[in-house]
Amino acid sequence: DAKTTQPPSMDCAEGRAANLPCNHSTISGNEYVYWYRQIHSQGPQYIIHGLKNNETNEMASLIITEDRKSSTLILPHATLRDTAVYYCIVRSYNTDKLIFGTGTRLQVFP
Amino acid sequence: EPEVTQTPSHQVTQMGQEVILRCVPISNHLYFYWYRQILGQKVEFLVSFYNNEISEKSEIFDDQFSVERPDGSNFTLKIRSTKLEDSAMYFCASTPDRAGNTIYFGEGSWLTVV
Repeated sequence: DAKTTQPPSMDCAEGRAANLPCNHSTISGNEYVYWYRQIHSQGPQYIIHGLKNNETNEMASLIITEDRKSSTLILPHATLRDTAVYYCIVRSYNTDKLIFGTGTRLQVFP
Repeated sequence: EPEVTQTPSHQVTQMGQEVILRCVPISNHLYFYWYRQILGQKVEFLVSFYNNEISEKSEIFDDQFSVERPDGSNFTLKIRSTKLEDSAMYFCASTPDRAGNTIYFGEGSWLTVV
């Protein structure tokens, strides 16, 4: 699996957009970009994933650069409940597991 | 919304005892996983299971660990002789199949070995 690089921590004001970056410069053509988050010690929660195109769902948007070497997770209106560790994970089409890194600890403040 | 359920939520056991952690994956999912997270550390892959056999396992998953799908709904992780360093949160997960499908996690079973 390609490795990802994320900033260790970020802050965001409540109500503002949170933009979480991720670098995956060694990603290959059949690898997806997944985003999960973990609130306290709860189970990792799926947020969104994509291959090439930008994706949006009720939780977030995923912007993948054209060369696929980086991506950004956007929480459009962050709330205090979005405070969590966010993991960007590159997953091969051919593997059946996720490899977690250390993620970005997002702190949303009032 | 369907979810992965795990029991117990918390278990305290004495070193050397056997522990079984139970999981009910999402119905119609075919791939199952166990992960663990030692307090303050990363979420670590232990094992994946498909078609009643292990498809992949990590170095952590040694002979003290085993997995089983005893019936059509449960998926279990057994630790034969627990050690202090087995204290962790254990997460079960499932997915319909590989290839771009989402893996869903349970809320975890917190194991404390004393």
